[in-house]
Amino acid sequence: AQSVTQLDSQVPVFEEAPVELRCNYSSSVSVYLFWYVQYPNQGLQLLLKYLSGSTLVKGINGFEAEFNKSQTSFHLRKPSVHISDTAEYFCAVSTTSGTYKYIFGTGTRLKVLA
Amino acid sequence: EPEVTQTPSHQVTQMGQEVILRCVPISNHLYFYWYRQILGQKVEFLVSFYNNEISEKSEIFDDQFSVERPDGSNFTLKIRSTKLEDSAMYFCASSGSPGTGGETQYFGPGTRLLVL
Repeated sequence: AQSVTQLDSQVPVFEEAPVELRCNYSSSVSVYLFWYVQYPNQGLQLLLKYLSGSTLVKGINGFEAEFNKSQTSFHLRKPSVHISDTAEYFCAVSTTSGTYKYIFGTGTRLKVLA
Repeated sequence: EPEVTQTPSHQVTQMGQEVILRCVPISNHLYFYWYRQILGQKVEFLVSFYNNEISEKSEIFDDQFSVERPDGSNFTLKIRSTKLEDSAMYFCASSGSPGTGGETQYFGPGTRLLVL
């Protein structure tokens, strides 16, 4: 079985500062990794994904994440945040075969302060 | 850009009533999913559906729940007799064939269900 841990439930950060949202996973098999963003009262939007290949993946809105297999981590980073980045961010994993269901972390609420 | 749609956006129902949540997945997708998110909690997998049958279901997905793809375009989640604890946001998702970008699920905007 897979599990995902997002250690930080809330992250406040000032506008234009860098931010890192942490995600660690546990799995006995290979996984795909995803970050989704949820703006207030909206659905889940894909930010970026790691399937294979380069461990540094770039996504939309200036976000990037690095897959670290030895540390079983997939931390999300942005060098300079904007007020509009205020949202809930979810890390998710899926197996690389079978039903491809997602297992989500508990989410990190990013609050960007002016 | 194609997207997953869900109706209704909000549903209020009385405990014990049946509800049907509807989803229209992206047209060439093959895998369909339902997830739920209880307020303030994480998104939880309910069920996956492929080739007109359930491929996997979670322990949450008990006999009160059922899914159906009635007409080749819609994908529905039925809760037979709603309980207070069924109050949540329900997300539908779809994906294509793995290996062709099908590893990525596209989510609908959700249906917020409130059981009174």
